Amino acid sequence: EIVMTQSPATLSVSPGERATLSCRASQSVSSNLAWYQQKPGQAPRLLIYGASTRATGIPARFSGSGSGTEFTLTISSLQSEDFAVYHCQQYNNWLALTFGGGTKVEIK
Amino acid sequence: EMQLVESGGGLVQPGGSLRLSCAASGFTFSSYAMSWVRQAPGKGLEWVSSISGSGGSTYYADSVKGRFTISRDNSKNTLYLHMNSLRAEDTAVYYCAKVRNYRDAFDIWGQGTMVTVSS
Repeated sequence: EIVMTQSPATLSVSPGERATLSCRASQSVSSNLAWYQQKPGQAPRLLIYGASTRATGIPARFSGSGSGTEFTLTISSLQSEDFAVYHCQQYNNWLALTFGGGTKVEIK
Repeated sequence: EMQLVESGGGLVQPGGSLRLSCAASGFTFSSYAMSWVRQAPGKGLEWVSSISGSGGSTYYADSVKGRFTISRDNSKNTLYLHMNSLRAEDTAVYYCAKVRNYRDAFDIWGQGTMVTVSS
C-alpha cells in the first residue's frame, strides 16, 4: 500500500496570505495525485487532478505541483471560504487507492 | 447537473448487514467507474471499493474485503454497497463518488450517508 503523508496537520494563515500544503508518497505515484477540499459537514470537492490540473470551476488561486513522491498545493491568497481541510489522494495504484491524513487550514 | 444521492445508512448491531444505495443523475452512468469512500467521525478519508462502468471489475480495500460487495444497476443508474459482518470500526459517513476518467480522481461526490455500528 502506498502511504500518503500530509504536512503540516494544521496550518494557521491570515486571510490574504499564501498557504503551502505538502503531500508525500511512500513510493512514486507519477502524476496520479489529486487534492480535495472538505468543509465541515460537507462532502469533499475535487480541486486538482493530475498533480497540477485544476478541476472545473476551481479558482486560479489554487495550484498544484510535483511528481513522483513530493507534491504541493498552494493557495496564493487565502479567502474566507478557503478555510477547510485539504486531502491528497494517489490513484496510481488502482488496487489500493489511498488518501493522506489531511491538512486543516485555519484562520490565524 | 451531475448529482449523486446516497441512502440506506442507519444504526446496525455488530455482525449485522446493511445495503447502501447511490442514485446518479446528470451523466451517462454506465460510462464511468464509481467508488465508495468512508470517513469515520473526526478522521480522514478512506477508500472502500470501486467498480468499473460495466460492473465487470471490482476493487476493495483490505479492511472490507470478503465482507463488503460493490455492485451497480446501470438500468437504474444506481450504485450499491452491500455490507455484511459489520464491525464498530465500520462506523463512518459513506460517500459515493464518480471517477472522472479511466482510473482517475473522483470528480463528483454525494452528500454521504451515516452508518453506525453499535449494540
